[in-house]
Amino acid sequence: DQQVKQNSPSLSVQEGRISILNCDYTNSMFDYFLWYKKYPAEGPTFLISISSIKDKNEDGRFTVFLNKSAKHLSLHIVPSQPGDSAVYFCAASPGTASKLTFGTGTRLQVTL
Amino acid sequence: ETGVTQTPRHLVMGMTNKKSLKCEQHLGHNAMYWYKQSAKKPLELMFVYNFKEQTENNSVPSRFSPECPNSSHLFLHLHTLQPEDSALYLCASSLGTSGVREQFFGPGTRLTVL
Repeated sequence: DQQVKQNSPSLSVQEGRISILNCDYTNSMFDYFLWYKKYPAEGPTFLISISSIKDKNEDGRFTVFLNKSAKHLSLHIVPSQPGDSAVYFCAASPGTASKLTFGTGTRLQVTL
Repeated sequence: ETGVTQTPRHLVMGMTNKKSLKCEQHLGHNAMYWYKQSAKKPLELMFVYNFKEQTENNSVPSRFSPECPNSSHLFLHLHTLQPEDSALYLCASSLGTSGVREQFFGPGTRLTVL
């Protein structure tokens, strides 16, 4: 039973355009959501997070949107750059840091 | 050294071998974690330690034995593993197990069991 789902295994976007990565969750107890980026041969790197009391959080080119009623969050990258090519993981937490539940990841390819 | 380090980066072992994975965090955190990432599966939490005490064991087989001598070091002792245990093993740390949620990961150990 996968509580965090990333239904798109891969996404290809042209440089300069917007990348939108999606994530759905089923557990209503999740109240904090995180995005991680992973390059090959490296561990996941924390990117941006959002609390359930907000519906948007922005950090430079990265914005995360949360739709609690739909149990859906998305990561927007604008503008996309070749260095953004990586696997992006969505994670959710129900109130303790020890309970991060991860999705399977979306591989983003930013083309020139 | 900065962040979270893991050694070795790659490990090949037979089913009868005994080996250990090491993790060290240089972030002043109090909580440390072991995760397993198998191909096309989400990261699976294995163990959680907070202030050296194990707070979570996610039904992990006993052939995986964690050890946390202090808040900066975490080991995963491996013995009589199976080929299906081949995976990327990731260590992470966080400030604690409540409050700040962000976990910081090491580069992982790619384990192959023959």
